[in-house]
Formats: sequence, structure tokens, C-alpha cells
Amino acid sequence: AQSVAQPEDQVNVAEGNPLTVKCTYSVSGNPYLFWYVQYPNRGLQFLLKYITGDNLVKGSYGFEAEFNKSQTSFHLKKPSALVSDSALYFCAVRDNGGATNKLIFGTGTLLAVQP
Amino acid sequence: SAVISQKPSRDICQRGTSLTIQCQVDSQVTMMFWYRQQPGQSLTLIATANQGSEATYESGFVIDKFPISRPNLTFSTLTVSNMSPEDSSIYLCSVVSRGQMSMNTEAFFGQGTRLTVV
Repeated sequence: AQSVAQPEDQVNVAEGNPLTVKCTYSVSGNPYLFWYVQYPNRGLQFLLKYITGDNLVKGSYGFEAEFNKSQTSFHLKKPSALVSDSALYFCAVRDNGGATNKLIFGTGTLLAVQP
Repeated sequence: SAVISQKPSRDICQRGTSLTIQCQVDSQVTMMFWYRQQPGQSLTLIATANQGSEATYESGFVIDKFPISRPNLTFSTLTVSNMSPEDSSIYLCSVVSRGQMSMNTEAFFGQGTRLTVV
């Protein structure tokens, strides 16, 4: 069965510093990986996805993610964090074993950016 | 992308009652999904709703508790029936655009309905 793991419940970083939010995956077949962000009292917003091709994927709000097949990881990164980046981040993988191709979400990582 | 409107945005309900959540999309979509996000938890898929057919429920969720309607390609409702405090969660509607349903298609989400059962 497909799954993703986010090993950190919370990540703290100072504004202006680079940030990394970790995600590892377990899939059978090709992985289809996604990152979403959830701001307080809001729904989820799509950030970026990896399908195939370049291992470095660029997305919204200056975020990027690096796909690493050997380490089965898809870490979210940003070179310089902003206080406004503080939110809950979810990694997700497409379930390619069922009829609905649903998304399977990780447990989420709370990013706190201190001014 | 799709713009999704979800109503109500929040509600406080008495145990034993039912609440119907509406999800309206600004374009026709093939598949609509209903998720539950319990406090401090990740998202769990409740069911997939296709127009013209019965919803497909995930393990642990049943139609009697979470009946779903999908009368057309832009609208769906989820009812939380006979509520208990354990049903207190955020309920999210999600869609994949029509004609784009493939493994690499991202999903879009409504703002969610924050339900508190007292």
C-alpha cells in the first residue's frame, strides 16, 4: 500500500533562513507526490507536485521540492523563510492501487517561522 | 484550477442531530471527494462521489452515517448523521477537474467546514 511519512511534527526556523520539511514515501510503481499547505482556518492549497523528469520541482510561493529515488524522499524546501510561511504542510502520494486514485496524506508538519 | 465554495464554514450542533454540508464548484468536475480532518490529525478520505452513481466509501465509513449526494457535475453534499462529539472535525470537499483525472492531477480543496458537536 502507498504511504507517506512526515517525521517531524514541527519545524522551527528563523526568518530569512532556509527551511526544509521532510517527507518520505513508500509506493509500488511510479510515485506521484504532492505538497499542500494549510493556513489557519483555511482549506488546503496545492504547492507543487512530482510526476517525472527533473528531480527538483518548483512550486508556488518560492517553494521547491527535491525528489530522491534512492532515499525515497520528497523534501520541501525554501531558500529564505518568511513569517507568512508559518502553516501546516502536508505531503501526499497518489494511491495507484485503487479505482479512485485518491490522495494519501502524511500526518502534517507545522512550520513555525520566527521573526 | 477550480474554485470551491463550502457551506457552512463552521457550525456547533447538538448531539443526535444531523448536519448537511454543501460543496459547490465553479466548473464541471469528474470526481469529488469528502475528507475528514480530526483535531490535530491528518486528512482521512470518507468517500468518493461521482455524478450519476452511488458514492464509494472508505473502510470505516458507512452510508448511513455519512450519506452523500451528487446530483450534477458541480455540486455535492455530505450529511453527518446522528452526530456525537467524536464527529467534531473539519470536513473538506475536494475535486479533480473534469477531463484531467489522471495520476498526475492535483486536487483542489474547499475551505472546510469546522463542526463542533456538543
